[in-house]
Amino acid sequence: EIVLTQSPGTLSLSPGETATLSCRASQSFDRKYLVWYQQKPDQAPRLLIYAASSRATGIPDRFSGSGSGTDFTLTISRLEPEDFAVYYCQHYGSSLWTFGQGTKVEIK
Amino acid sequence: QVQLQESGPGLVKPSGTLSLTCAVSGDSISSSDWWNWVRQSPGKGLEWIAEIYHGGNTNYNPSLKSRVTISVDKSLNRVSLNLTYVTAADTAVYYCARDHDHGDGTWAFDIWGQGTMVTVSS
Repeated sequence: EIVLTQSPGTLSLSPGETATLSCRASQSFDRKYLVWYQQKPDQAPRLLIYAASSRATGIPDRFSGSGSGTDFTLTISRLEPEDFAVYYCQHYGSSLWTFGQGTKVEIK
Repeated sequence: QVQLQESGPGLVKPSGTLSLTCAVSGDSISSSDWWNWVRQSPGKGLEWIAEIYHGGNTNYNPSLKSRVTISVDKSLNRVSLNLTYVTAADTAVYYCARDHDHGDGTWAFDIWGQGTMVTVSS
């Protein structure tokens, strides 16, 4: 089972800044199986990025995903107030899904 | 517009069985999607529980597999989850989610229910 480790645990930034979130896997895998979600308090997660770099429908282009192998990155450019939330990466492999532990992006 | 609505008892006694349903509207449970359950303990991260395809194919989280059953009811267009021998550690918000193929074999949970809180307590 692949383990996803997200870093940092918390990112303190100001609106307008750029957030760089990391998701590192314990083994290399095909990037098509890497997904990113956003979750705000008391809300269900929201799909942001699938296949490592493809934005889901309706997701602003300030959200971008990159990476391959074991290292994946979610970049949020020009942080808007509504972007402060928790972000999770997710992987599919060997007939099971796993989530990273999440990165909280908070207002500095 | 696809919507998922979870329902079930908010309180379950320890050692009992947690039973939840997810009503699907705007999409057929018999489509090419997979249907999932994910949970989130208070203040914690997301934990995938299980998934099912309408044909009956299932996949389970190995850590929960011995206690979990996922099923579909095509006539009612809903997905169900049973979790047996629950303990306080099973207290969580339980979400159902649609796993959709975005093309070229790229899958992701694009639709989520609002979640239902289940507390395990006597």
